[in-house]
Amino acid sequence: GAGVSQTPSNKVTEKGKYVELRCDPISGHTALYWYRQSLGQGPEFLIYFQGTGAADDSGLPNDRFFAVRPEGSVSTLKIQRTERGDSAVYLCASRESGANVLTFGAGSRLTVL
Amino acid sequence: DQQVKQNSPSLSVQEGRISILNCDYTNSMFDYFLWYKKYPAEGPTFLISISSIKDKNEDGRFTVFLNKSAKHLSLHIVPSQPGDSAVYFCAASASGAGSYQLTFGKGTKLSVIP
Repeated sequence: GAGVSQTPSNKVTEKGKYVELRCDPISGHTALYWYRQSLGQGPEFLIYFQGTGAADDSGLPNDRFFAVRPEGSVSTLKIQRTERGDSAVYLCASRESGANVLTFGAGSRLTVL
Repeated sequence: DQQVKQNSPSLSVQEGRISILNCDYTNSMFDYFLWYKKYPAEGPTFLISISSIKDKNEDGRFTVFLNKSAKHLSLHIVPSQPGDSAVYFCAASASGAGSYQLTFGKGTKLSVIP
């Protein structure tokens, strides 16, 4: 597609439930990033993929968060046992090899009740 | 510990005047700086960037200035237009890390008044 696509755009869930957020990057972009933006804050780094492998997952807040990119394209961010503090906009970005600029999707807004 | 700081949460400017948005950073490893613009319910959109080997980069109405000794950069928009009203994020990366991971500030909400 022309841009980074994220689904769902909005997700409301109950505390304790499992959630999956999907990111479809720009075709041909080998690098993929997940960020989280809480209210009044800038985007905060979660995880970075180069191809299929997670090259840096130092931003994941705890072991309830996990992300995969099995074929080096689409990525899924998985959150187990959601907590109210997980409520945020989850942003995905991709980057062309050799470029410095990340292109972001519109985000998935997660609300945990 | 905020490595990228935007100390002004908001800024109001008259249409046609200059908007100046400021950003400070603390990490000496940062060598590439970007500005992103964000409208409500949309993702951040890349606006302009600058490498640490330069002190100025210009693109149309947008100019970014970098003062490495002060660890400070600024974005100038002139003339400002109502469509420029958005949240502007300053971001930085350290190319030596290889990941091009960005560290963002908290953003400055710019309002351009017609």
